[in-house]
Amino acid sequence: KNEVEQSPQNLTAQEGEFITINCSYSVGISALHWLQQHPGGGIVSLFMLSSGKKKHGRLIATINIQEKHSSLHITASHPRDSAVYICAVRSYGGSQGNLIFGKGTKLSVKP
Amino acid sequence: NAGVTQTPKFQVLKTGQSMTLQCAQDMNHEYMSWYRQDPGMGLRLIHYSVGAGITDQGEVPNGYNVSRSTTEDFPLRLLSAAPSQTSVYFCASSPYRGSLYEQYFGPGTRLTVT
Repeated sequence: KNEVEQSPQNLTAQEGEFITINCSYSVGISALHWLQQHPGGGIVSLFMLSSGKKKHGRLIATINIQEKHSSLHITASHPRDSAVYICAVRSYGGSQGNLIFGKGTKLSVKP
Repeated sequence: NAGVTQTPKFQVLKTGQSMTLQCAQDMNHEYMSWYRQDPGMGLRLIHYSVGAGITDQGEVPNGYNVSRSTTEDFPLRLLSAAPSQTSVYFCASSPYRGSLYEQYFGPGTRLTVT
């Protein structure tokens, strides 16, 4: 069983729609990261959070430590949001605090 | 401030050849790491370093060597390339391995082994 599961795997939306991407994890964590990978391949960090909620522009990330679940929301989606969104957790214990990655959610926003 | 740079961007190797993927950062970050990204799988950690002179293995270290002689540079060496090493390789850095530091990724190197 993967330690980090993302859903959905693929998501197609119309421009302007509200989008939610989910991430569930099975290990104890000290932090959770949301990353964005554009079609060109580069990866950028969107959020890093250990509790609560963070907002940056049209992006909102939330985490529920007790339920081991995080969501990434995009409001008023735009075609330029089309990318792969990756959840990664920094765990305690055996992996020595290195990041464990989900497989990503591929988002396509149609005009 | 160039961030994290990687060279080359693309490389084709024949089975058995060796090569070095270069990674450098100019942010004085202590922690650097190498990942590989394969279709249908999440990024997987190959090797990492928590400072100059200190390296350790990640999840998939076999067939790869690293060294960290300076804070800035963290090259990844393929000793004898195999088709299973065909992948996209990303180098990343952060100020420290601690939990609340953002990771900065290089642009990636797409490697094909024939």
